[in-house]
Amino acid sequence: DQQVKQNSPSLSVQEGRISILNCDYTNSMFDYFLWYKKYPAEGPTFLISISSIKDKNEDGRFTVFLNKSAKHLSLHIVPSQPGDSAVYFCAASSNDYKLSFGAGTTVTVRA
Amino acid sequence: DTAVSQTPKYLVTQMGNDKSIKCEQNLGHDTMYWYKQDSKKFLKIMFSYNNKELIINETVPNRFSPKSPDKAHLNLHINSLELGDSAVYFCASSPRDRGTYGYTFGSGTRLTVV
Repeated sequence: DQQVKQNSPSLSVQEGRISILNCDYTNSMFDYFLWYKKYPAEGPTFLISISSIKDKNEDGRFTVFLNKSAKHLSLHIVPSQPGDSAVYFCAASSNDYKLSFGAGTTVTVRA
Repeated sequence: DTAVSQTPKYLVTQMGNDKSIKCEQNLGHDTMYWYKQDSKKFLKIMFSYNNKELIINETVPNRFSPKSPDKAHLNLHINSLELGDSAVYFCASSPRDRGTYGYTFGSGTRLTVV
């Protein structure tokens, strides 16, 4: 039973434009939400997180938005760069230390 | 200086064999994990240890046995390997404030059972 869903398996965006990745969740007990970036043959790398008490967190080119009532979060990357081409995983956790992951969205940034 | 290192990176073995994957972290984190990425690319937690104590044990066949000799190490031993065990296994660790700093993952061990 997937509690975290990323319904877009892929996203193609032009360099310099905005990338918007979406994520939905079903478990209302989740209190932290995280985004990870993964290159081939490497482990996921932590990108940015947001607590359930906030609705926005920004770190450089990356901004995560949380809409608790809709159980939805999104990651904005502005401006997109070629090095951003990777698989992005949305993840969520509650007090039990488990991270539940979405299936990932493959982002391709075109020159 | 790798933060979370796991060995081997690739492992090809025959059905029925027993194998181990090792993981070490030098971040001083209290909690370590094993995750499995299956053929559909989902990352699913298998086990978690906090200061050498098992705190998460998901529905994993008992052929899989984690062992944590100290809080910097978490090894995974698999008995009687089956074809369905083929996957990428990731070790990870996290600090007490896991939400803010996230989890740090190793680069993965690709296990192929033939």
